[in-house]
Amino acid sequence: EPEVTQTPSHQVTQMGQEVILRCVPISNHLYFYWYRQILGQKVEFLVSFYNNEISEKSEIFDDQFSVERPDGSNFTLKIRSTKLEDSAMYFCASSRESSGELFFGEGSRLTVL
Amino acid sequence: TQLLEQSPQFLSIQEGENLTVYCNSSSVFSSLQWYRQEPGEGPVLLVTVVTGGEVKKLKRLTFQFGDARKDSSLHITAAQPGDTGLYLCAGEHFGNEKLTFGTGTRLTIIP
Repeated sequence: EPEVTQTPSHQVTQMGQEVILRCVPISNHLYFYWYRQILGQKVEFLVSFYNNEISEKSEIFDDQFSVERPDGSNFTLKIRSTKLEDSAMYFCASSRESSGELFFGEGSRLTVL
Repeated sequence: TQLLEQSPQFLSIQEGENLTVYCNSSSVFSSLQWYRQEPGEGPVLLVTVVTGGEVKKLKRLTFQFGDARKDSSLHITAAQPGDTGLYLCAGEHFGNEKLTFGTGTRLTIIP
């Protein structure tokens, strides 16, 4: 069964460093998303991406964050100058249609020290 | 900010009992989804309800969307230890792509 894959599964970084979280969405999906879940808190929307551009973003997704689809398969989330409060589980998701079923990856745990 | 409040936050019951989890909001959703999340994994979609008053069954799980499309419930009949997990509701608003997730209900079924 096709699945969304994310790497790394866990990344530890020093405050102020840049991190890139990678995702390979399901191959025939057209809509891509990043969500995050801070430990003990609810899942929060960060950004949606369609047709090689951001279609919607939340207040959390400020200039510190960026997304890119550098090739036909990867979808990346870059976090610049990481802060302690960026520590969270970051989930990538994809769907075939705009309001279609979302398939989530297993997440990338980011720990900022 | 549109909030989805789930209740109860934690629920621990004996195997074989029935339970209901609630998801409530003051805003109207175009659709509402229920997910289950295991530790260290991403949410997995259980069901999507779209029509006000809609009821969907998935084996022992029954999902209902409120008539006004502001709330939903998940009822589990004869709970099994395998039902243990974090249950999340998530709503989608008209014209928006993003999902607003609920606060979650952590369910533990005791054998």
